[in-house]
Amino acid sequence: QVELVQSGAEVKKPGASVKVSCKASGYTFLTYDITWVRQAPGQGLEWLGFISPLTGDTNYTETLQGRVTMSTDTSTSTAYMELKSLRSDDTAVYFCARFKGDYDNRFDYWGQGTLVTVSS
Amino acid sequence: SYELTQPPSVSVSPGQTARITCSGDELPRKNAYWYQQKSGQAPVLVIYEDRRRPSGIPERFSGSSSGTMATLTISGARAEDEADYYCYSTDSSGFHGVFGGGTKLTVL
Repeated sequence: QVELVQSGAEVKKPGASVKVSCKASGYTFLTYDITWVRQAPGQGLEWLGFISPLTGDTNYTETLQGRVTMSTDTSTSTAYMELKSLRSDDTAVYFCARFKGDYDNRFDYWGQGTLVTVSS
Repeated sequence: SYELTQPPSVSVSPGQTARITCSGDELPRKNAYWYQQKSGQAPVLVIYEDRRRPSGIPERFSGSSSGTMATLTISGARAEDEADYYCYSTDSSGFHGVFGGGTKLTVL
């Protein structure tokens, strides 16, 4: 069965960096892209970007350009999202999800979410 | 930047039909996707490519799209359908995604 299992909650100080992992199982990792979505407390979903494990191609939301880096380790079927220069408004639950790509944007399986708290 | 607009809330009685709209300038050219999110849980895909229903999603969930508006319809809404619903699509490039602001559905 398909599973995306994310790393545990993090507490960071402003200005620090965080790296969240998303380990995939139950399917061929290279055949699906990974997207990252976040949700601030009491707020809606925000699309952050995606990465193709096959090609390494990435695309990020303009609001995080320069602060976010998405990567994959194909040997362990794990995707990563690193966010630098953290601010208090980066406090959110971060989700990974898979999708087929090639204009098929179904996010059909999601990770359980990782709470990142930014606080001094 | 591209935006999708949803009503903040929709309320229906059990058994009634709930309609949640999503408007965006690129929707005539880009597919809409709908996600259901219950409190404390990850979102669940309920409609993709405007009107297709994933396996395991009840038939009472349907989708449509006309012009710049996509609509999620829940026919015969049940108490268990209470959740936040988000539409999703992409901008004109097809490579930047965007979620609508979300609609809280109340069934009571």
